Amino acid sequence: DTGVSQDPRHKITKRGQNVTFRCDPISEHNRLYWYRQTLGQGPEFLTYFQNEAQLEKSRLLSDRFSAERPKGSFSTLEIQRTEQGDSAMYLCASTQGLAETDTQYFGPGTRLTVL
Amino acid sequence: AQSVTQLGSHVSVSEGALVLLRCNYSSSVPPYLFWYVQYPNQGLQLLLKYTSAATLVKGINGFEAEFKKSETSFHLTKPSAHMSDAAEYFCAVRILLGDDMRFGAGTRLTVKP
Repeated sequence: DTGVSQDPRHKITKRGQNVTFRCDPISEHNRLYWYRQTLGQGPEFLTYFQNEAQLEKSRLLSDRFSAERPKGSFSTLEIQRTEQGDSAMYLCASTQGLAETDTQYFGPGTRLTVL
Repeated sequence: AQSVTQLGSHVSVSEGALVLLRCNYSSSVPPYLFWYVQYPNQGLQLLLKYTSAATLVKGINGFEAEFKKSETSFHLTKPSAHMSDAAEYFCAVRILLGDDMRFGAGTRLTVKP
C-alpha cells in the first residue's frame, strides 16, 4: 500500500493556459474523489468516480474543468483557460468500498498558482 | 443540506494541557461525522469517525470525540497535548446516500512548550 499519489506537487501557470493534474489512487480502490482547498478553508468536493464512471459533479466544477478516470485506475483533472481564481490546492482521495462511512485516503495535493 | 461549523480558526494550548476542538453539525438526517488532521505539505489523515454505533469514538494518537445529538456537536479532545499535535484539524459530515463530504473551515492547533 503506497498511498495516494498526485503529480505534480506544484504547478505555476499563466492565466489562460491549460493545466492537467494526475492522481493515482491506492491500488484496487473503487472510488476516487477530487477536492479543491483554498487558503484558510476546508476541502470542497468537486467530483467523484466509481471505477471509470463519473457519478457526481459539484456546481463548483465549471465547464472549464474536466475529469477522467480511464480504465478505473488513475484519474486526471484538466483545467482549461485557467483564471487567477483557480489558484488552490487540488486534493485527490480514494476509498476501497462504496459505503459513505468508508475512510477516504488523501494524497498530498497539487498546489496550483495562476499568475 | 448538511454542513459543519468549526468554532475557532486558531487554538493554542500548552504542552500537556487538554486539547478541545469544537465542531457543530447541521443535518436533516442522521449524519456520519469525521475528524481529519493535516500536517504541513501533507494530505489529510483520518483521526476518527462516527458511524452511528458508539457515541464516544476513539481515534489515533490519543484523540477522541463524542457525538451529542442534543447539542448537534462532535467535539474533538485529547487529554494531554504533545508538540507533534500541532497541525490543522478538519471536521467533516456526510449523510446516507450522500455523494459528497462537507468539510469545516478548519482549526489550526498550536502547541506551546
